[in-house]
Amino acid sequence: NAGVTQTPKFRILKIGQSMTLQCTQDMNHNYMYWYRQDPGMGLKLIYYSVGAGITDKGEVPNGYNVSRSTTEDFPLRLELAAPSQTSVYFCASSFTSGSQPAGEQYFGPGTRLTVT
Amino acid sequence: AQSVTQLDSHVSVSEGTPVLLRCNYSSSYSPSLFWYVQHPNKGLQLLLKYTSAATLVKGINGFEAEFKKSETSFHLTKPSAHMSDAAEYFCVVSETGGGADGLTFGKGTHLIIQP
Repeated sequence: NAGVTQTPKFRILKIGQSMTLQCTQDMNHNYMYWYRQDPGMGLKLIYYSVGAGITDKGEVPNGYNVSRSTTEDFPLRLELAAPSQTSVYFCASSFTSGSQPAGEQYFGPGTRLTVT
Repeated sequence: AQSVTQLDSHVSVSEGTPVLLRCNYSSSYSPSLFWYVQHPNKGLQLLLKYTSAATLVKGINGFEAEFKKSETSFHLTKPSAHMSDAAEYFCVVSETGGGADGLTFGKGTHLIIQP
């Protein structure tokens, strides 16, 4: 198993440009997540998905969009990049049943994004 | 509501000496607690987790943590530090029955190992 893969590893965007960060998992996990990590801070949840066709906002969703058309893929879209979106982005997945607490999350290696 | 506080932003120890990374939490429910490690330019990896079974939890690479409800703490320890332990460590809390947005991450503790 490759686990959780993310592309690209690095990207520099100009203000106002758009891009899609790709995330794929091959563990048949139902839950998938997007986080951003800023220096000296913990991870903040942007969006999450509990299964194909279902997505929901996390703590910091503004400026981002997601879709989940398959179990495996969970792309994150930035429509109008802003300097405040300079960060490291992590995708994660987990298998979680309805009444159980969130289980162990498996993380991708991250995408380092700079907006100038 | 839940929260987690990692009491030290940086911890520096000498190789071969014990490691203690401190974490306090607050939760309205019976929490699940996790420690994750992040090596430079890598994703997060689970070290260990507590989910209401034994209060002393053993993880990978010789780490362990003890859940103390009376002190609302979940400190991470290792008897003897190794150079490869240098990394960022995150304490994470999840409330029982919490959904995907029920995870709260601490701000992290940077562990430095002196030769």
